[in-house]
Amino acid sequence: DVKVTQSSRYLVKRTGEKVFLECVQDMDHENMFWYRQDPGLGLRLIYFSYDVKMKEKGDIPEGYSVSREKKERFSLILESASTNQTSMYLCASGRPGGAAKETQYFGPGTRLLVL
Amino acid sequence: EDQVTQSPEALRLQEGESSSLNCSYTVSGLRGLFWYRQDPGKGPEFLFTLYSAGEEKEKERLKATLTKKESFLHITAPKPEDSATYLCAVQETGNQFYFGTGTSLTVIP
Repeated sequence: DVKVTQSSRYLVKRTGEKVFLECVQDMDHENMFWYRQDPGLGLRLIYFSYDVKMKEKGDIPEGYSVSREKKERFSLILESASTNQTSMYLCASGRPGGAAKETQYFGPGTRLLVL
Repeated sequence: EDQVTQSPEALRLQEGESSSLNCSYTVSGLRGLFWYRQDPGKGPEFLFTLYSAGEEKEKERLKATLTKKESFLHITAPKPEDSATYLCAVQETGNQFYFGTGTSLTVIP
């Protein structure tokens, strides 16, 4: 079974703080993704990575950065947290290439509250 | 422009009352269509992948079908434990993924 874990289930931070969200997958997947999920807006892609040290901007990268130093680990960084970044953050991983292998598997999510 | 639209937004069923959820899409080239189940406060759990029109997949009380413009998730004789939000996502030939906003299903005992 694919397992994607996220470092925290719940986080409360103050405006202006630097926030690190970590994601680890154990299936040797090349691709990893960070999404945020808000009511009525669905999942929106923040960043994704298709290899170590590689990253691509998604639909809403502003205010975020990412780091992928190891294949199994993908970190999302909020440089200076703001209240509009209060959300559910979801990490996913998957293999590239070939329709049968492109399913994304999700972690349990981190619910972040920025005060 | 919405690439993926799910309907209805919410659905309440009596236990045993079969129904269908709809996912319509407008991407130019479909590489795959994915169905997920999401329980409150948790990440989406993968259910099915469909690749071409006419394809069907089944798992317990769920059956997913695909046409050129939409997919249906049929729920036969649902139970309360089927209550969840069901998400649809499509991957276009350019590899971009698009998610719908989901259908919240409640099955009443």
